[in-house]
Amino acid sequence: QVQLVQSGAEVKKPGASVKVSCKASGYTFTSYGISWVRQAPGQGLEWMGWISAYNGNTNYAQKLQGRVTMTTDTSTSTAYMELRSLRSDDTAVYYCARVKGVAGPRRWFDPWGQGTLVTVSS
Amino acid sequence: QSVLTQPPSASGTPGQRVTISCSGSSSNIGSNTVNWYQQLPGTAPKLLIYSNNQRPSGVPDRFSGSKSGTSASLAISGLQSEDEADYYCAAWDDSLSEKVFGTGTKVTVL
Repeated sequence: QVQLVQSGAEVKKPGASVKVSCKASGYTFTSYGISWVRQAPGQGLEWMGWISAYNGNTNYAQKLQGRVTMTTDTSTSTAYMELRSLRSDDTAVYYCARVKGVAGPRRWFDPWGQGTLVTVSS
Repeated sequence: QSVLTQPPSASGTPGQRVTISCSGSSSNIGSNTVNWYQQLPGTAPKLLIYSNNQRPSGVPDRFSGSKSGTSASLAISGLQSEDEADYYCAAWDDSLSEKVFGTGTKVTVL
């Protein structure tokens, strides 16, 4: 079955970086894109960006431009999201989700990974 | 903050019909399709409706979606206790060139 399995929880200090992985299985990795979505404690969902697993094209949320980098490793069917210069308001559960097609991030997210809690605290 | 507006809460008794609205603008719902996600407590979101009114396989036909102009709606008929969750609408926004989510609606089964 189609599955996305994310890396474990992280605790980081302000100013540090975090890199979350998302390993895909059960489908042809390069035929889809991956979006990243985060959810602060008790809050709603926030789209962070998208990467095409076919050619590596990316589209990032304006708010995170310059701090976020999304990459893929097609040899292991794994997507990565790195967030730099972490602040306390980056504390959230980070989700990866498969996006249908490779041309752009407009389509729906299905399925989602289980989520990775990133805590930023001094 | 969220670009799409949803009521913070909705409720009903078992068997009732509950409707959740999602209000946007011409740059998002008005020109793109709407998706709905269900998030059960402590779990990752799950796709419930795509392309305004399409259900993925496995989603009960009690869930239905619709869109008109710059608004969309999710209806849950025959409400069940397991439907207690947070529900989010989402759409692409042409002005922002970003995916935008609704503010979320918590559904309670009384």
